[in-house]
Amino acid sequence: KAGVTQTPRYLIKTRGQQVTLSCSPISGHRSVSWYQQTPGQGLQFLFEYFSETQRNKGNFPGRFSGRQFSNSRSEMNVSTLELGDSALYLCASRTSGGADKTQYFGPGTRLLVL
Amino acid sequence: GDSVTQMEGPVTLSEEAFLTINCTYTATGYPSLFWYVQYPGEGLQLLLKATKADDKGSNKGFEATYRKETTSFHLEKGSVQVSDSAVYFCALSGNTGGFKTIFGAGTRLFVKA
Repeated sequence: KAGVTQTPRYLIKTRGQQVTLSCSPISGHRSVSWYQQTPGQGLQFLFEYFSETQRNKGNFPGRFSGRQFSNSRSEMNVSTLELGDSALYLCASRTSGGADKTQYFGPGTRLLVL
Repeated sequence: GDSVTQMEGPVTLSEEAFLTINCTYTATGYPSLFWYVQYPGEGLQLLLKATKADDKGSNKGFEATYRKETTSFHLEKGSVQVSDSAVYFCALSGNTGGFKTIFGAGTRLFVKA
């Protein structure tokens, strides 16, 4: 079974621009979560989507948004980019909203904001 | 809120040495506990997990036991290899405040030949 895939793998943007990152979960997984990883703050939870609905959200400004499609693929959007948004963005999927909380991660999208 | 504390790195060991990376947690109820590993330039890989007290997770020679009484989930390996050099993250997924995984700060391991 194919793992979680993320595109693009690398991205360079300038301040003020917006960016969209894409994530395809493992087949059959309906929950997709996004995390931001930086050297200073570590791994921080952005949001979780399940069946096209955002179920939980971390402490990030409204510039960070996401959505999930009917095939469980998810996108994350960051508007008005700031230098501090430079990070590795990780997507993770899991089977459902049930008892199994195991998440499987993609390789990440490395975003550099200049 | 929920939190995870793990020992700071880097940890430097010689090949075949014994590894322990300490991890303690704070959470309401009975969270699921995980160890993830991250190799340079890659995402996180699930190393092992435990879902209830006294469960032992194991994989590739690594082990960790869910200790409710000490709120700990220490990672151990009897004989490390150079290929184990990576960053290790302890994590929990709790039962309150909606689903999310809380990660520790990560511990970088260097194994010398």
